Amino acid sequence: QSVLTQPPSVSAAPGQKVSISCSGSSSNIGNNYVSWYQHLPGTAPKLLIYDNNKRPSGIPDRFSGSKSGTSATLVITGLQTGDEADYYCGTWDRSLSGVVFGGGTNLAV
Amino acid sequence: EVQLLESGGGLVQPGGSLRLSCAASGFIFSSQAMTWARQAPGKGLEWVSAINSDGTTYYANSVKGRFTISRDNSKNTLFLQMNSLRAEDTAIYYCAKDETGGRLEYFDYWGQGNLVTVSS
Repeated sequence: QSVLTQPPSVSAAPGQKVSISCSGSSSNIGNNYVSWYQHLPGTAPKLLIYDNNKRPSGIPDRFSGSKSGTSATLVITGLQTGDEADYYCGTWDRSLSGVVFGGGTNLAV
Repeated sequence: EVQLLESGGGLVQPGGSLRLSCAASGFIFSSQAMTWARQAPGKGLEWVSAINSDGTTYYANSVKGRFTISRDNSKNTLFLQMNSLRAEDTAIYYCAKDETGGRLEYFDYWGQGNLVTVSS
């Protein structure tokens, strides 16, 4: 059972938009910045979003993030088959004094 | 170019020990917090441990008392000493670089991972 809750899977057609939610609490999302990662099992996870809504250089603006209260959302527009992967949210948890990740969401395009 | 290269994984019996290494390059290693995360077969990413630039350490409850994180800034290398290994520690282990000045809120570079298998 992950501290941060994500839907196990989402799907959408190529070109469409999808949203992935990440729900936490005041000890984590509510008082810390949220990050999002794209991961293909067996490869290095890739940082997509940091500080709730910022993109590292090289990440297309099809990927966007937002945060409200104790929840965060990753939105991917103009879906491509190459976006099929697992997506994780993450942040620091003050109560646990540790990093927490969501359970992951598998995206099917 | 930032590079993180894990090594030291392999097959170990339950109750055994293993030490993972993560060789870092392309950034000032001594100034950055570092972390270990893992992915067990069929499961999601799980944070394992972190160490700040000042040596402060943090551990997930699942490994506290069994795993020890450390760093050698003279060799730009991060370590994870794993003792009393259990079958549920079987996973691909990743090292990653913090870019938040030790707040550990996001990790901008990750290694390719190293497989640890705990089995008799």
